[in-house]
Amino acid sequence: EVRLVESGGGLVKPGGSLRLSCAASGFTFTSAWMSWVRQAPGKGLEWVGRFKPTTDGGTTAYAAPVQGRFTISKDDSKNTLYLQMSSLKTDDTAVYYCGWELQGGLGYWGQGTLVTVSS
Amino acid sequence: DVVMTQAPLSLPVTLGQPASISCRSSESLVYSDGNTYLNWFHQRPGQSPRRLIYKVSNRDSGVPERFSGSGSGTDFTLRISRVEAEDVGVYYCMQGTHSPWTFGQGTKVEIK
Repeated sequence: EVRLVESGGGLVKPGGSLRLSCAASGFTFTSAWMSWVRQAPGKGLEWVGRFKPTTDGGTTAYAAPVQGRFTISKDDSKNTLYLQMSSLKTDDTAVYYCGWELQGGLGYWGQGTLVTVSS
Repeated sequence: DVVMTQAPLSLPVTLGQPASISCRSSESLVYSDGNTYLNWFHQRPGQSPRRLIYKVSNRDSGVPERFSGSGSGTDFTLRISRVEAEDVGVYYCMQGTHSPWTFGQGTKVEIK
């Protein structure tokens, strides 16, 4: 059974940093393309960024609003995906989901973790 | 960025009746490999989104047959043949052809 479990969310002040984790199980994580998607309270879905596995270049890509502030990394030994967020803004307040990319979209999603940026 | 436009944004439906949601993209979603990476997701209140359809018309595992997807190029449709109570929630289309991925605004389906 595929499982994705996010953690690390919480309350942080504007300008602060936070690292989210996504623990994966039930599939071959080392070769998986993974993404982060967020959803502001009461709003729609927004793609945040992706991590391609080493076998496909090991590169990352980010949405414009987070480029230069967020970094996605992966620890294959721990089957864990990370989202390091810095210089946080109030607009970054959202539920953050990690997902396993399959067939050009997110085939599996985690339950999400809430990040609140507020003074 | 590719803009995804859904219609309607609110859809009151009658149990047992059909329903459909339209999704239009600002650019063609045909990728260089010949595939069209158009997805449909369903999100119930308080839950994570769940993918229903990938590559325009392919149902994900466990998705009921009453859900179907169609379309090509820039125009796509999600159809529910007979709406059931568990189908309420918000439906999103999403394109995975162009970077960055982009989602439609969402269509809220509720029972009349």
